[in-house]
Amino acid sequence: NAGVMQNPRHLVRRRGQEARLRCSPMKGHSHVYWYRQLPEEGLKFMVYLQKENIIDESGMPKERFSAEFPKEGPSILRIQQVVRGDSAAYFCASSPLGERDEQYFGPGTRLTVT
Amino acid sequence: QKEVEQDPGPLSVPEGAIVSLNCTYSNSAFQYFMWYRQYSRKGPELLMYTYSSGNKEDGRFTAQVDKSSKYISLFIRDSQPSDSATYLCAMSFPGGFKTIFGAGTRLFVKA
Repeated sequence: NAGVMQNPRHLVRRRGQEARLRCSPMKGHSHVYWYRQLPEEGLKFMVYLQKENIIDESGMPKERFSAEFPKEGPSILRIQQVVRGDSAAYFCASSPLGERDEQYFGPGTRLTVT
Repeated sequence: QKEVEQDPGPLSVPEGAIVSLNCTYSNSAFQYFMWYRQYSRKGPELLMYTYSSGNKEDGRFTAQVDKSSKYISLFIRDSQPSDSATYLCAMSFPGGFKTIFGAGTRLFVKA
């Protein structure tokens, strides 16, 4: 049973470019969460999605950030016009239907903005 | 005041020691409590989760929740060098979706 998959593992973007991060949840999981982790800091919730629906995006910056979880395919976290402050590790987690609190994390995507 | 407070450490112990990791929280509405282990440059791994006061044991790990004091603990018995990692406490509300994480405690177990 494959775990949560994220790609790419490392992403380098110049300021002003777009970053697109992908997350495939565990098989049978229909809930996806995105978190950001800065060096020496804990995980900060960004957004919670179910298939084709954004349920809670209260942790997402209002501008430049968006997320989707289409009916088919992985969940995507998109950051437009990246700035140096966006450099961080971005983790995706998934949980099984009805068990929101057992979240299983992927290996993360480390975004570096130059 | 942060919703969840966790001492970042580092905490250094000899192999075989009992390790105690702790978090305090301010919102009494938190209902679900988790502990994650995160190795360097890896994703967090769920260790324990509980939703009631008291103790929950799994192998060498024991999670303890004291809702009256808003205090949770993770105990690691017979600690091993492979336990060296950052341990994150986390908690969430009933019916809620957002999980709040502590900053993590870095643990080093010396052989």
